[in-house]
Amino acid sequence: AQSVTQLGSHVSVSEGALVLLRCNYSSSVPPYLFWYVQYPNQGLQLLLKYTSAATLVKGINGFEAEFKKSETSFHLTKPSAHMSDAAEYFCAVTGGGSNYKLTFGKGTLLTVNP
Amino acid sequence: DGGITQSPKYLFRKEGQNVTLSCEQNLNHDAMYWYRQDPGQGLRLIYYSQIVNDFQKGDIAEGYSVSREKKESFPLTVTSAQKNPTAFYLCASSPRQGSSETQYFGPGTRLLVL
Repeated sequence: AQSVTQLGSHVSVSEGALVLLRCNYSSSVPPYLFWYVQYPNQGLQLLLKYTSAATLVKGINGFEAEFKKSETSFHLTKPSAHMSDAAEYFCAVTGGGSNYKLTFGKGTLLTVNP
Repeated sequence: DGGITQSPKYLFRKEGQNVTLSCEQNLNHDAMYWYRQDPGQGLRLIYYSQIVNDFQKGDIAEGYSVSREKKESFPLTVTSAQKNPTAFYLCASSPRQGSSETQYFGPGTRLLVL
């Protein structure tokens, strides 16, 4: 079975600062990894996903994530935070092959201060 | 515009009452999912369906029921057996069921108990 740990339930940054949201996964088979964003009282929107084509994945809104197998990590970064980035971010994993169940982390709430 | 619609946006349930949440998609996706979201808990899978007239229990199916009579529709009924139904319910769909498939989410329904 796979699992996801998001380190830090709440991250606060200043506008223009680096955003780093941490995600570590556990999977017995090569995983597929996803980052979603959720604005208040809305559904989830896909930011990016890793499907083994390239370890550095670029997504929407200037976000990117790097798959590091040795560290079992898939951290999300953005060089310069914008006020509109304030939201909750979820990392999710599937186990690969026939194990298609999407397992979510508990989320990280990003606050951006002016 | 293609997408997933959920209705109503807010739903109130009285004690002992069954309520049904609607989920419709016009993306021609084969697979559909229902998740429950509680604060600080991430998303948990209630039911999923790969094709019409077939569905499987997820991690927290007790107290819920679903049907899949049409490809476009996957309604969720919260029965009186669900003792703690207050949550945000999210419907999702994917082109097919597979570990690399992206799940696309609807805007959600918030269920409150009177």
